[in-house]
Amino acid sequence: KQEVTQIPAALSVPEGENLVLNCSFTDSAIYNLQWFRQDPGKGLTSLLLIQSSQREQTSGRLNASLDKSSGRSTLYIAASQPGDSATYLCAVPQGAQKLVFGQGTRLTINP
Amino acid sequence: GAVVSQHPSWVICKSGTSVKIECRSLDFQATTMFWYRQFPKQSLMLMATSNEGSKATYEQGVEKDKFLINHASLTLSTLTVTSAHPEDSSFYICSARDSQGGNTGELFFGEGSRLTVL
Repeated sequence: KQEVTQIPAALSVPEGENLVLNCSFTDSAIYNLQWFRQDPGKGLTSLLLIQSSQREQTSGRLNASLDKSSGRSTLYIAASQPGDSATYLCAVPQGAQKLVFGQGTRLTINP
Repeated sequence: GAVVSQHPSWVICKSGTSVKIECRSLDFQATTMFWYRQFPKQSLMLMATSNEGSKATYEQGVEKDKFLINHASLTLSTLTVTSAHPEDSSFYICSARDSQGGNTGELFFGEGSRLTVL
C-alpha cells in the first residue's frame, strides 16, 4: 500500500525567501508524481506533473524534482511571494489510476 | 490546463434529504472520474472511482448505498449523498483525467463542493 508523507506540515517564511517542500513515498514503482496547490475552501490546482522517466520539471518559479529510487520528491519555490501562501500537496498513483495524497504542507509567506 | 467544473460549490440541506453534486469535464472527455472527501485541515481521501457506463468502484469503508455515483457520459459524473446526516458534512472534490492521456496523464480537479447538513 502506497503511503505519502510531506514534511514540514507547516512552514512560515518571510517574503522573498527560497524554500523547499519535501514529499516521500513508500512504493517507488510509480509512473508519475504530481504536485498540487490548494487555497482555503477551494479545489486543487495542478502545479507540476513529473513522469517517472523525468528527474525534474519547472514552471516559472517552481521546480519539482523526483528521485524514484529513494522515494522522494521536492518542490522548490524561488523568491516566494505572499500569493504563494496555500497548502501544497503531493500525490502519487497507487495501482493503475488512484492517487494517494500526502497530508500537505501549509505554507505562509509573510510580507 | 483542462477544466473540471463542480456544481453546486456549496449546499446546505436538512438532515434526511438527498443532495446531488455534479462534476463535469468541460474541454475533454473523461472515461474515469474520481470522488474525494476532505475534512477540515486534512488531506483528500478517495471515496470512489467513477467509470463511464459502468458501476463505480468504492473504497473500503465507503457505503455505496449512501453515496450513489452515476457516470452517464464521458463528461459528467454525479455524486448523490442520500439521506444526509450531519456527519456527512464535508468538502467533496472530483477529479478527472483526459481519456486521451491514458493512465499516466495529468489529473485535473474541480473546485469542490462544500456540503453542510443541518
